[in-house]
Amino acid sequence: EPEVTQTPSHQVTQMGQEVILRCVPISNHLYFYWYRQILGQKVEFLVSFYNNEISEKSEIFDDQFSVERPDGSNFTLKIRSTKLEDSAMYFCASSEGALYGYTFGSGTRLTVV
Amino acid sequence: LAKTTQPISMDSYEGQEVNITCSHNNIATNDYITWYQQFPSQGPRFIIQGYKTKVTNEVASLFIPADRKSSTLSLPRVSLSDTAVYYCLVGDRGANNLFFGTGTRLTVIP
Repeated sequence: EPEVTQTPSHQVTQMGQEVILRCVPISNHLYFYWYRQILGQKVEFLVSFYNNEISEKSEIFDDQFSVERPDGSNFTLKIRSTKLEDSAMYFCASSEGALYGYTFGSGTRLTVV
Repeated sequence: LAKTTQPISMDSYEGQEVNITCSHNNIATNDYITWYQQFPSQGPRFIIQGYKTKVTNEVASLFIPADRKSSTLSLPRVSLSDTAVYYCLVGDRGANNLFFGTGTRLTVIP
């Protein structure tokens, strides 16, 4: 079964540092997403991406966040200056089309110290 | 997005059928009902999606009454590996985002 692959599985960074979380979506999927889940809390939508541009973003996705699809296979989430409250599991997801279920990756656990 | 209400937790013995009900009184005409499963420290996994009546796949069945104000996810003969959080989501299939509630934590007991 095709998978969404995320790297690294765990990243520790100092407050104020930039981090890039990487994702390889399923190859024939056209829609890409980032979600996050703070420990013990709900899964929260961050951003959706289609046709090389952001199609929707939440209030969480402020100017500190950006996404990119640099080479046609990778999909990245960058946080420019991390804060303690950015500590969470970050999940990448992709879907074949807007009418299909999403496939989520296993996540990157980001710890900001 | 329609608000959903589901039980916070449920326990079941191995081998039993489990039914998790979700209420969504404000469901809109274009909304579909989708269920996801999440294991600890993993991303949610799509289980099943439906619009009305009954949908069945190799994993579960989804029952939706005519008024569509609720739905029931049915897991046949659960095993220990079905212990997870189950989320009921309601929204337009063309929506760009998913809204996850708190879900139902299912614990399967030996």
